[in-house]
Amino acid sequence: NAGVTQTPKFQVLKTGQSMTLQCAQDMNHEYMSWYRQDPGMGLRLIHYSVGAGITDQGEVPNGYNVSRSTTEDFPLRLLSAAPSQTSVYFCASSYGTAGNPGELFFGEGSRLTVL
Amino acid sequence: GENVEQHPSTLSVQEGDSAVIKCTYSDSASNYFPWYKQELGKGPQLIIDIRSNVGEKKDQRIAVTLNKTAKHFSLHITETQPEDSAVYFCAATNTNAGKSTFGDGTTLTVKP
Repeated sequence: NAGVTQTPKFQVLKTGQSMTLQCAQDMNHEYMSWYRQDPGMGLRLIHYSVGAGITDQGEVPNGYNVSRSTTEDFPLRLLSAAPSQTSVYFCASSYGTAGNPGELFFGEGSRLTVL
Repeated sequence: GENVEQHPSTLSVQEGDSAVIKCTYSDSASNYFPWYKQELGKGPQLIIDIRSNVGEKKDQRIAVTLNKTAKHFSLHITETQPEDSAVYFCAATNTNAGKSTFGDGTTLTVKP
C-alpha cells in the first residue's frame, strides 16, 4: 500500500517554464488537495477536489491549475513558473467528502525551485 | 475566511519535561481540529484530533484540549523524548466547506 505518491521529489525550473507535479493515491480517497509550504508560513491550500470531475480553489490558487479525471490522480500544473512559486508542495488525500474531510494523508513533498 | 494562529513558533524543552502548543481560530463554524507532526524531509502526519463536541482527548503521552467558547485548542505532550523533536501544526476545519486552515507551525526541540 503506497499511500500518497508525489513526483518529482525535486525540480528546478526557469522563469516562464511550465510543469506538472504528479500526485497519485491508492486508498480510494474521494478528497484530494494540494498545499504549498513556505518557511514560517505553514501549509496553504492551493486547490482541492471532492471527487472525480470536481475541483475548487483554495487560499492561494493563482498561477496553478488542477484537474481530477480519476479518483486516483490529482496533478498540479504550473502554467508559467515564477520565482514566487519556489516552495515545497504537498499533495494530501482523505477518506472524507466535502462534508467531513477527516484525517489528511500527505505525500512526501515536491521541492520546486524557480530561477 | 478562517485564520489560525499558533504559538510558540519554537519551543525547546529538556527530555522528560512537558510541552504545550496553543492555537486560536476565528471561524466559529470550524468543528474539526487535527494536529500534525512533520519530521525533517517528510510530509505531515496526524498525531491526534478532536471534534467540536468533545472538550479533551488523550492518547498515551499526548492530549488535546478544546475551548469552543474562547476558540482555542492546545496540544500537550508529557514526558517528552528526543524523538518528539519535529515541527507540529495545528489545523481548524470547517467540515461544511471542506477546507483545513493550518497554523504556521511550532518547531519543538527535546534536549537529551
